[in-house]
Amino acid sequence: AQRVTQPEKLLSVFKGAPVELKCNYSYSGSPELFWYVQYSRQRLQLLLRHISRESIKGFTADLNKGETSFHLKKPFAQEEDSAMYYCALRDSSYKLIFGSGTRLLVRP
Amino acid sequence: DAGVIQSPRHEVTEMGQEVTLRCKPISGHNSLFWYRQTMMRGLELLIYFNNNVPIDDSGMPEDRFSAKMPNASFSTLKIQPSEPRDSAVYFCASSPQDYGYTFGSGTRLTVV
Repeated sequence: AQRVTQPEKLLSVFKGAPVELKCNYSYSGSPELFWYVQYSRQRLQLLLRHISRESIKGFTADLNKGETSFHLKKPFAQEEDSAMYYCALRDSSYKLIFGSGTRLLVRP
Repeated sequence: DAGVIQSPRHEVTEMGQEVTLRCKPISGHNSLFWYRQTMMRGLELLIYFNNNVPIDDSGMPEDRFSAKMPNASFSTLKIQPSEPRDSAVYFCASSPQDYGYTFGSGTRLTVV
């Protein structure tokens, strides 16, 4: 079954600390993975996708097929990074399957 | 491009009333998705359309929910009759075939 798991509901770090938001997936085919961010009471915004191998706002994510993971990382967290982060997998029918989300709280 | 446009932004209605949520996707996007977001259940896909045709409505919770896409630039999600447990934020998203979704700002529905 297709599934995206984000084991942490809340991750709290201090400003300047490294951040890693965990995401594991279950998918029988070749996955296409995304990270979305939702700032307080706003729309979900695409943060990055694994195909692009890009860094957005200092965040990166590497697809590890062996561990079926797509963890989101940032070396130095900023207060403005506080938001909900959703990992998502797109299946062959182009549906996006979302994880339950992790709330990142960056304390000053 | 104004992005995906949803209306209304907020809706408060009484239990039993009909509610209609509206969405205008980005021009040229051939897929449209309706999601529901709650604290308890997170983001749930309700239904999605491809080229205006409903492809998968398995996420629609009950017969009280229905969705239409009469043309490429408009979709509606209707709840009739509404119940308090339908209170949530409803997001519409559109996508071209080979990219991620663009989400609308959502409609915050409160059924009292």
